[in-house]
Amino acid sequence: AQSVSQHNHHVILSEAASLELGCNYSYGGTVNLFWYVQYPGQHLQLLLKYFSGDPLVKGIKGFEAEFIKSKFSFNLRKPSVQWSDTAEYFCAVNAAGGATNKLIFGTGTLLAVQP
Amino acid sequence: EAEVAQSPRYKITEKSQAVAFWCDPISGHATLYWYRQILGQGPELLVQFQDESVVDDSQLPKDRFSAERLKGVDSTLKIQPAELGDSAMYLCASSLGRGGTTYGYTFGSGTRLTVV
Repeated sequence: AQSVSQHNHHVILSEAASLELGCNYSYGGTVNLFWYVQYPGQHLQLLLKYFSGDPLVKGIKGFEAEFIKSKFSFNLRKPSVQWSDTAEYFCAVNAAGGATNKLIFGTGTLLAVQP
Repeated sequence: EAEVAQSPRYKITEKSQAVAFWCDPISGHATLYWYRQILGQGPELLVQFQDESVVDDSQLPKDRFSAERLKGVDSTLKIQPAELGDSAMYLCASSLGRGGTTYGYTFGSGTRLTVV
């Protein structure tokens, strides 16, 4: 069965600090990978996704993620965070070419950026 | 920008009562999902529809939960009777893709259910 692990449950950073949020998945086949963000009081929004090709994926708002197949990882990065990045971040995976498009989510990382 | 509409936004109900949530996906999206997000956890799929057919309901507690998408457009998720442990955010999402293909998902704002 597929599973997703996000090891950082709470992260507190100062503005301009660099961010890296860990995500590891468990699945033996080919996967599609996603990072979603949920700002306070808002719905889940897609930050970026990886289907195939260049393992370094660039998303919105200066975020990027790198797919490392050998490590089953898809870590999210941002070189300089802003106060407005305060939100909860979810990593998700689904089986590429599977019968369903079911997303398996991690437990989320709550990021607080201090001005 | 097209949105997935959900109502109500908030719902408080007493234990053992019935409750229903409604979702209207983006027009033309064939696939509709209901997810449940318990506080402190990631969303978990309850049921997936492709058009009006259920594709995956393996995690749906069928003794108390039911879902339908009669005309393949909007959908209703029902809980009867509600239990305290059902308190959560219920998210609806839709996707242009059908089974076996992958497109982006669009999530609605959710219905926050509190069972007292």
